[in-house]
Amino acid sequence: AQSVTQLDSQVPVFEEAPVELRCNYSSSVSVYLFWYVQYPNQGLQLLLKYLSGSTLVKGINGFEAEFNKSQTSFHLRKPSVHISDTAEYFCALARGGSQGNLIFGKGTKLSVKP
Amino acid sequence: DTAVSQTPKYLVTQMGNDKSIKCEQNLGHDTMYWYKQDSKKFLKIMFSYNNKELIINETVPNRFSPKSPDKAHLNLHINSLELGDSAVYFCASSQGVTPTYEQYFGPGTRLTVT
Repeated sequence: AQSVTQLDSQVPVFEEAPVELRCNYSSSVSVYLFWYVQYPNQGLQLLLKYLSGSTLVKGINGFEAEFNKSQTSFHLRKPSVHISDTAEYFCALARGGSQGNLIFGKGTKLSVKP
Repeated sequence: DTAVSQTPKYLVTQMGNDKSIKCEQNLGHDTMYWYKQDSKKFLKIMFSYNNKELIINETVPNRFSPKSPDKAHLNLHINSLELGDSAVYFCASSQGVTPTYEQYFGPGTRLTVT
């Protein structure tokens, strides 16, 4: 069975500090990996995705993630966070084949403090 | 222009009632989804439609019935509402069923059953 584990439920960090949000996945088949952001009382917005090719993926708002097949990880990073980055971040895995629905991790709440 | 819209945004109702949530997308996509986000922010797929045909039906009670009158709309009808149905329901759409297509999420409908 496929699954996604986000290791930290909450990550507090000071403004302008670097941050890493951790995500591990389990899958016996090829995977497609995503990071979504959910701002308070809003829907989800795609930050970045890994489909194939380069293992370092760059997304919007200065975020990037690295796909590591041997460690089955897809950690999200940003070198310097802003107050506006405060949100819930979800790592997701997509099933291959004809079913494109996403399997989500439980989310990581990023709180950026001044 | 809102790409994926849902109505209503908030829905408060009593146990035993029947209610519907509507979803519309103006992106020209042929695949639409319903996800449920529980009180712990965990997101899980409920249904997926492609060209008005049901392709994913996860273990959801029969009280939930999706209906897709055309490719741009996917409504969710819930019979005999229970307390455990309280959640935020997200609609999403994508250009196709394979994971390479980005899913666009609506703003969510917060359902509260009292």
